Parts: sequence; structure tokens; C-alpha cells
Amino acid sequence: EVYLLESGGDLVHPGGSLRLSCAASGFTFNNYGMGWVRQAPGKGLQWVSYITYSGDRTYYADSVKGRFTISRDTSKNTLFLQMNSLRVDDTATYYCAKDRLAARQGGLFDDWGQGTLVTVSS
Amino acid sequence: SYVLTQPPSVSVAPGKTASLTCGGDNIGDKSVHWYQQKPGQAPVLVIYYNTDRPSGIPERFSGSNSGNTATLTISRVEAGDEADYYCQVWDTSGVFGTGTQVTVL
Repeated sequence: EVYLLESGGDLVHPGGSLRLSCAASGFTFNNYGMGWVRQAPGKGLQWVSYITYSGDRTYYADSVKGRFTISRDTSKNTLFLQMNSLRVDDTATYYCAKDRLAARQGGLFDDWGQGTLVTVSS
Repeated sequence: SYVLTQPPSVSVAPGKTASLTCGGDNIGDKSVHWYQQKPGQAPVLVIYYNTDRPSGIPERFSGSNSGNTATLTISRVEAGDEADYYCQVWDTSGVFGTGTQVTVL
């Protein structure tokens, strides 16, 4: 069974940094692309970032480009999201998600974690 | 950036059919995926590549995509279908629609 466990969410001041982690198990991690999706309180889903199964390509929403960095450590079966220059509107629950397609860039997610809350406030 | 527009809400009586639309410029040229999200839960993929259903998703859920509109159809609606539904495509990056809240009367 696929299991994705996010961690690292916290309360941080505007301009601060945070690194989210997503520990993956139950599947061959380096065969699947992975992504981050966020949801502000009471709002809809917002796509944030994606990394290919091989780690050679990364993609970002315009709203986070240049501030967030996605990465993966295959030795630890862990996905990361480094978030810098955080803004109040980055406040959201951040979900880690696994691509449905193996060894391909699908960009659709068939397994999700339960999310970690990031609050940006002074 | 690419924009996907969904009606904010749809109400449907039990046993009837709900049609949820997702509008986008020439969306028919893209692959559309649909997610269901119930309160306090993570999203669940219910339709992918316009028409395919993951295992475990009832046949009552179906999808179509043509022109500027993709549609998720829920037949014989049940109380348990009450949720938010989001469409998603891949453009130069991922994009989610604005979401539709389905209320079962």
C-alpha cells in the first residue's frame, strides 16, 4: 500500500524559510514523478510543483517560481520542498502526491498524503 | 497561464445525474483528470485521461472532453457523492480548476 507522510509544516514569519518533507513507502520511489499541491484554508486546490521520476526536470507554478525548490532523495525515498521568501498568501495545507504513471511524466496524481499545514504570519 | 473554469456549485437530487463542467481554451486538445475531495480529506482521483476510471471508482462516474469543455458526469447520484470536484490538466505545468461543490439534495 502506498503511504505518503508529509512533515515540516510550521508557523513562520513573512520572508522566512521552511523545508517540507514527504516520506514515501509502498512503491518503487524512483519510478514515479512526484508533486506538491496546496490548499489555502477554505479554498481550492492549487498545483505547486512537480519533479520527474528521474529528477532531471522540475516544474513550478508561476506564483512560487524562484522561491520554492522541489527535490528528491532516492536513497531515503523522500520528496522535499524548500520554501524561501515566504509570503502570507503561501499559507496552506501542502499535500505530497505521487504520479499515476510509472517511468513517465504524467502529471496526474493517484496517491496523496494527508498534508502538512504551513502558516505564514507576523 | 492556462485557466480552467468550473461552476462554483451544483445541486442534484439522489438518483439523478450531475454534470460538472470544466472550461478551458481548446481543452479538448488536452488530457483532463478529475479529483473528488471530501471535507477534511485528501483528494481522490476519479477520472483520468478524460474517460478512464481508476480501480475502485464506481462506473457511475464518467468523463468526456471536447472543444472548450470537459465534463464529469455522475449518474444515479448518492449522498456519498457530496464533495468538491476539481478538474486538472497539464499545460506548461499543472493546473487545477476552480472547483465545484456538489450538494445532494
